[in-house]
Amino acid sequence: AQSVTQLGSHVSVSEGALVLLRCNYSSSVPPYLFWYVQYPNQGLQLLLKYTSAATLVKGINGFEAEFKKSETSFHLTKPSAHMSDAAEYFCAVSEGFGNEKLTFGTGTRLTIIP
Amino acid sequence: EAQVTQNPRYLITVTGKKLTVTCSQNMNHEYMSWYRQDPGLGLRQIYYSMNVEVTDKGDVPEGYKVSRKEKRNFPLILESPSPNQTSLYFCASSLEGSNTEAFFGQGTRLTVV
Repeated sequence: AQSVTQLGSHVSVSEGALVLLRCNYSSSVPPYLFWYVQYPNQGLQLLLKYTSAATLVKGINGFEAEFKKSETSFHLTKPSAHMSDAAEYFCAVSEGFGNEKLTFGTGTRLTIIP
Repeated sequence: EAQVTQNPRYLITVTGKKLTVTCSQNMNHEYMSWYRQDPGLGLRQIYYSMNVEVTDKGDVPEGYKVSRKEKRNFPLILESPSPNQTSLYFCASSLEGSNTEAFFGQGTRLTVV
């Protein structure tokens, strides 16, 4: 069964500092991996998606994530945090094609310190 | 405007009183799904549908029903709500399946007393 683990339910970084949000996955087949962001009182929106085309995936708002099969990881990074990045971030995994469940992690709340 | 619309946005009900939360999308998406969001648990998938008349259980289907009679609509039915179903619910749709981008509604905050 597929699963996602997000280490750190809360992460705080200073404005301008590196953002690193961790995600590890488990899947019986090559996975599709996603990062979604949720701003207060809103639904989720896609930041980026891995579909095996390239291991380094660039998303919106300067975020990127690297797929590492050997570590079963898909960590999200941004070189320089901005106040507007404060939100909750969710990693998700899908096996697709025969198993159409989409499984989310428990989320990481990112706080930006001025 | 492309969107997923859920109604109502807020609902307070009593234990055992049947309710339906509606979800509609205008993007001609094949895949639709329902999630509940609880503090510390993230989003958990309740049911999903690959197309009309095709539905399947997610990770937490107990106490919920769904139907997909039309491509655009995917209502969530709680036939006998209980307090443990108090949660924030999201509907989402994707073009083809769970491996494509999900577009989420604004959420429905349900309280069962």
